[in-house]
Amino acid sequence: AQSVTQLGSHVSVSEGALVLLRCNYSSSVPPYLFWYVQYPNQGLQLLLKYTSAATLVKGINGFEAEFKKSETSFHLTKPSAHMSDAAEYFCAVSKTGGFKTIFGAGTRLFVKA
Amino acid sequence: DAGVIQSPRHEVTEMGQEVTLRCKPISGHDYLFWYRQTMMRGLELLIYFNNNVPIDDSGMPEDRFSAKMPNASFSTLKIQPSEPRDSAVYFCASSFMVGTGANVLTFGAGSRLTVL
Repeated sequence: AQSVTQLGSHVSVSEGALVLLRCNYSSSVPPYLFWYVQYPNQGLQLLLKYTSAATLVKGINGFEAEFKKSETSFHLTKPSAHMSDAAEYFCAVSKTGGFKTIFGAGTRLFVKA
Repeated sequence: DAGVIQSPRHEVTEMGQEVTLRCKPISGHDYLFWYRQTMMRGLELLIYFNNNVPIDDSGMPEDRFSAKMPNASFSTLKIQPSEPRDSAVYFCASSFMVGTGANVLTFGAGSRLTVL
C-alpha cells in the first residue's frame, strides 16, 4: 500500500525566504509522486509530478521537488516566497501505472510580509 | 474547456434528507474520482470510475452513500439519509492516462455540504 506523510501541518515563512515543505512516502513498488496546491474555496491544482524520468522535478510558479529514494522523501522547495504562495499544499502518491492517488494531510503555508 | 464542473457549490440540509451532488468531467477524460475532504480525515478517495464503470468503491463510508456515472459527461454522488458527520467538501476530479503513465487529476471547485 502507498502512503505519504507531510511533516508540519502549518509552515510560516517571510516573503522572500526559502520555502521547504516536507513529504515522506511509503510504497512497496516504484511510486509516482505529486504535489498539489489548494487555494481557498478552490479545488486542488497540480504543481509538479515525479514519474522516474528525473529526480529533480520543476513545476509551476517556481516550485521544484527532489525525489530521494534513499530517504523516501519528496520535499517541495521554492527559493523565494511570494505572498501569493499562501495556500495549502498536498503531497500525493500513486503506484506506477495506478489510478488511485493517496493524499497526505496537507501543509498550510503562511507568508508574512 | 470549462474544467470539471460541480454542483451545487454549497448545500445545507437537515439530517435525514437526501443529498445529490453532481459532476461534469472534462470531455475526453475517461477516469472520474470522488473525494471527500474534512479537517479530521483530510482528503479521502471514495470511489472512482473508468469509462463510466465503477472500479473501486472501497472508500465509500457506508451504504448510505452511492455513486453513479450514467454517461461519460455526468456523475452523481448521493447520500441517503444524510447525517451531520457527512458534512464535508466533496470533490470530483477527472483524468486520463498520459504517456508517462502518471494519473494527473483535474479537480472541480468542490461541493460544500453542511448537514444540520
